[in-house]
Amino acid sequence: RKEVEQDPGPFNVPEGATVAFNCTYSNSASQSFFWYRQDCRKEPKLLMSVYSSGNEDGRFTAQLNRASQYISLLIRDSKLSDSATYLCVVNGNPANAGNMLTFGGGTRLMVKP
Amino acid sequence: EAEVAQSPRYKITEKSQAVAFWCDPISGHATLYWYRQILGQGPELLVQFQDESVVDDSQLPKDRFSAERLKGVDSTLKIQPAELGDSAMYLCASSRTPTGQETQYFGPGTRLLVL
Repeated sequence: RKEVEQDPGPFNVPEGATVAFNCTYSNSASQSFFWYRQDCRKEPKLLMSVYSSGNEDGRFTAQLNRASQYISLLIRDSKLSDSATYLCVVNGNPANAGNMLTFGGGTRLMVKP
Repeated sequence: EAEVAQSPRYKITEKSQAVAFWCDPISGHATLYWYRQILGQGPELLVQFQDESVVDDSQLPKDRFSAERLKGVDSTLKIQPAELGDSAMYLCASSRTPTGQETQYFGPGTRLLVL
C-alpha cells in the first residue's frame, strides 16, 4: 500500500464548477500536511498547508481528518488556469531526522471552457 | 524572489555513461533535498542534507548514485553508470530548516533521458 494515495484522475470539469480531491495517508504519526500544485513539465509549488481545523485561501479549501487519515482539497469556481496536477503531501514521522515529505501520485485537473 | 537553481535543465545520455546534476539552493537555506520524479508519479526523496551532512539517504541507490554538498551550499547528484530506468525528472528543493512546517521550494528540475 502506498503511503499517500490519490485518485490520478483526470478530472475534467467546466469553468465555474466546484471540484474536490481526496487523499489518504497511511502513517498515523504524520504531523504536517500540504497540497502542492504542479503544472505540466514544471516543478511543484506549495498551494497551501492543511491544518486540523481546516483552512481556506480564496477559492481553495483544505480539510484534514486525522481519525480517518484523510485530506481533501475543494476548488470553487474553477478557472482555466487551475488546470494542473495537485499533489497531496504528508510530512513523515517526526521521530525520524529531517523533514521528509511523502508525495502522492497527484490528481490531474483539466478545466474546460 | 529567490529561487532554487538547477543545471542542466535537460540531459540526454547513453546507458552506462556518467551524469551529474547541480543545484544551488535559496541563500540561507540549510536544508537541501534531491527528489526523483518518474512521469505520472509524485516526487520521491533520494537524499536530504542539513548543511553539509547527509540526514537521510535511505532511498538513494548507493551502488550507482552519489550526492555531496561539500561546503553546505550547492550540491551535486551523480549517477554512474546511468541505466534506462533512471530516465526521470530530478528535482532539487531547499528549506530554511528541516522542521515539519517549513515550506520546501523546488528548482525547475533536470529532465534526464537515458538511451
